[in-house]
Amino acid sequence: EPEVTQTPSHQVTQMGQEVILRCVPISNHLYFYWYRQILGQKVEFLVSFYNNEISEKSEIFDDQFSVERPDGSNFTLKIRSTKLEDSAMYFCASSVLGSNEKLFFGSGTQLSVL
Amino acid sequence: QKEVEQNSGPLSVPEGAIASLNCTYSDRVSQSFFWYRQYSGKSPELIMSIYSNGDKEDGRFTAQLNKASQYVSLLIRDSQPSDSATYLCAVSNNAGNMLTFGGGTRLMVKP
Repeated sequence: EPEVTQTPSHQVTQMGQEVILRCVPISNHLYFYWYRQILGQKVEFLVSFYNNEISEKSEIFDDQFSVERPDGSNFTLKIRSTKLEDSAMYFCASSVLGSNEKLFFGSGTQLSVL
Repeated sequence: QKEVEQNSGPLSVPEGAIASLNCTYSDRVSQSFFWYRQYSGKSPELIMSIYSNGDKEDGRFTAQLNKASQYVSLLIRDSQPSDSATYLCAVSNNAGNMLTFGGGTRLMVKP
């Protein structure tokens, strides 16, 4: 069964450092998303991406965050200068159709900012 | 700010019983609703979607929607220990490009 692949599974970084979280969405999917979940809290939307553009972003997704689809397979989330409160599980998701139909989530990257 | 509220639980039911999970949402114009299951340390997994008032059944799962009351529920019949997980209610924005999740209800099914 096709799946969304995320790397690395764990990332430890120092406050102020840049991190790039990588995702390979399912190959025929056109809509891509990043969500995050701080330990014990809700899953929170960060950004959605379609046709090489951001289609929606939340208040969390400030100037420190950016997304990119550098080639036909990867979808990345960059945090320019990490803060302690960025520590969370980051989930990439993708879907064939929009409308949040059949969103497939990756297994996540656990980001720890020290 | 759009809110999606769930009782955090835990909801404990015996094996074979019906588990009933509830969710309320604040945005009256919401049209699309989803239930996800999340095992501890894992990613959310879609169980069901529902768009119209009434019931929608899929195997042991039934989703119920009442837009007038801004209420969504999930019933799990013949609950199994493997159903023990956190169940997340999610509501879509009208553009269909963002989900707002509730905090989840932890379900424990005891053998």
